Amino acid sequence: KQEVTQIPAALSVPEGENLVLNCSFTDSAIYNLQWFRQDPGKGLTSLLLIQSSQREQTSGRLNASLDKSSGRSTLYIAASQPGDSATYLCACLSGAGNMLTFGGGTRLMVKP
Amino acid sequence: GAVVSQHPSRVICKSGTSVKIECRSLDFQATTMFWYRQFPKQSLMLMATSNEGSKATYEQGVEKDKFLINHASLTLSTLTVTSAHPEDSSFYICSAARTSSADTQYFGPGTRLTVL
Repeated sequence: KQEVTQIPAALSVPEGENLVLNCSFTDSAIYNLQWFRQDPGKGLTSLLLIQSSQREQTSGRLNASLDKSSGRSTLYIAASQPGDSATYLCACLSGAGNMLTFGGGTRLMVKP
Repeated sequence: GAVVSQHPSRVICKSGTSVKIECRSLDFQATTMFWYRQFPKQSLMLMATSNEGSKATYEQGVEKDKFLINHASLTLSTLTVTSAHPEDSSFYICSAARTSSADTQYFGPGTRLTVL
């Protein structure tokens, strides 16, 4: 059974800092890994999707990397802004049933 | 494209009543739809997967008689929480995929259910 862990659970940084969010997964046989953003009381916004054959994906100030062999992914946010404050979730698509398994999330607060 | 809506966004009901939540794919046809539950400060947990025209597949520990799922068309799936109790209070999120569960899932905005 796939298990996804995100560290840290919460993070508070001053505006302008570059930061890294970590995601680890136990079953390396994934089809893809996805990073989402969730604002309080809201649904999910997909940020980046990395296929199992890819090593990284970039979108604006966001860069996500994937190392399947070690079961790790990182989300790099450059020049953080208060508007980046949200919970960031990573999720792996894996298993015979093609299940999307979510990590517990990292609650990010960027202070002005 | 690939927009998914949910209705209602918030619902408050009395214990013992039933509540229906709708999930619609607005600009694409969804062969597969998923229902997740999210408790406060926790992550999303898959409840069930439904394919259009077929019975839903429920995850372990989810009561199929309590959480009724209907996926009667390629753009609509409904989740009915029957005889709701306070412990059913949660954030329910649906997602939709064009083809199989291996396809990209597009998420709805969620429904906040509060059972008094």
